[in-house]
Amino acid sequence: GAGVSQSPSNKVTEKGKDVELRCDPISGHTALYWYRQSLGQGLEFLIYFQGNSAPDKSGLPSDRFSAERTGGSVSTLTIQRTQQEDSAVYLCASSFDQETQYFGPGTRLLVL
Amino acid sequence: AQTVTQSQPEMSVQEAETVTLSCTYDTSESNYYLFWYKQPPSRQMILVIRQEAYKQQNATENRFSVNFQKAAKSFSLKISDSQLGDTAMYFCAFMKHNAGNMLTFGGGTRLMVKP
Repeated sequence: GAGVSQSPSNKVTEKGKDVELRCDPISGHTALYWYRQSLGQGLEFLIYFQGNSAPDKSGLPSDRFSAERTGGSVSTLTIQRTQQEDSAVYLCASSFDQETQYFGPGTRLLVL
Repeated sequence: AQTVTQSQPEMSVQEAETVTLSCTYDTSESNYYLFWYKQPPSRQMILVIRQEAYKQQNATENRFSVNFQKAAKSFSLKISDSQLGDTAMYFCAFMKHNAGNMLTFGGGTRLMVKP
């Protein structure tokens, strides 16, 4: 079946603009995770959704970052007032058993 | 907090040879999962192999196997009969056993398979 999909594949934006990144998990997967991959910080956890439970936002680096998951499926990660240090690859993963996570191809964000 | 360390930033191996990638971790948890993920230039993170800490038997998946030493907190990946398609970044990752926990990743090892 289809894997995790993410859009856009690449995004270039100007400093100060807002961006939205989308993740479509594997059908039937109840858990969804966002990670950030940057040269300086490596792979970092951002946020986790499980069903209808309140999300675990412990990894969000600032209040400019937010995410939602509508209908227990698609998720959107929003970065407000983007900064150059937000430039990174944003990876989404989903899981059926909350043990093994399957990743999407990521969105490469470049903030000029 | 957990930490994962991959001490080899880059490695290379000749096609058809065997290579071992190192990973150590630090945790106070007794039950957890360990993973190796592969990330080729396409950016897609692909699960290579998974190990449950409570299992003493080392996990194997075709040409990929691990050497899990729980007391030493070591989790190395052995790739046998290396193929050109194995060229990628490899990440070791840790996850606590409690449901829904996030992955903690090592810094990665860039593997180049040479013809």
